[in-house]
Amino acid sequence: DIQMTQSPASLSASLEEIVTITCKASQGIDDYLSWYQQKPGKSPQLLIYDATSLADGVPSRFSGSRSGTQYSLKISRPQVDDSGIYYCLQSYSTTWTFGGGTKLELK
Amino acid sequence: AVQLVESGGGLVQPKESLKISCAASGFTFSNAAMYWVRQAPGKGLEWVARIRTKPNNYATYYADSVKGRFTISRDDSKSMVYLQMDNLKTEDTAMYYCTAGDYGGYPGDWGQGVMVTVSS
Repeated sequence: DIQMTQSPASLSASLEEIVTITCKASQGIDDYLSWYQQKPGKSPQLLIYDATSLADGVPSRFSGSRSGTQYSLKISRPQVDDSGIYYCLQSYSTTWTFGGGTKLELK
Repeated sequence: AVQLVESGGGLVQPKESLKISCAASGFTFSNAAMYWVRQAPGKGLEWVARIRTKPNNYATYYADSVKGRFTISRDDSKSMVYLQMDNLKTEDTAMYYCTAGDYGGYPGDWGQGVMVTVSS
């Protein structure tokens, strides 16, 4: 099975920072990678698909990239409303795998 | 607007069975792969199962943790997807989310979830 190692597990950032969350795949996944945001008590929301494509309605401050088998989600000049837990998901193999999640707190 | 409404959750004892359902609307259901994702209390997301469309022979795939115990199915005539859960274990306790494939197959739309609690 493909493992997705997500880091950091949590971070606290200011509104002026650039926030970066990474997921490293245990093998190549051909950019079958998506990112989700989940707020407390709510269902997850798709942010990024195909590693770099922005889902409809998602603010342009969110972006995705890849370097080798490491995928990154970047939030430029985050807003307070961006607080929550972020997950990556690989959908390359027949069985899919989420990363462990990153709890983002904005101060 | 896309709507996914899960139902059928509840409290069951270990080794019992439960079938949860998801009613879909607002999109062409027969063209969409469907998925179940769960989240144990205070834990992260876990992909559970997926079912493809008729042109893909309704192929199904399962997480190792549920393989042989859970069965995903769909009824395109009713725009429904189901998850039959047999031989339930306490570790199956979770919120179960129904999601629909979008943007070429990614879980783009999500239901509000249904809680399944397995406890004696």
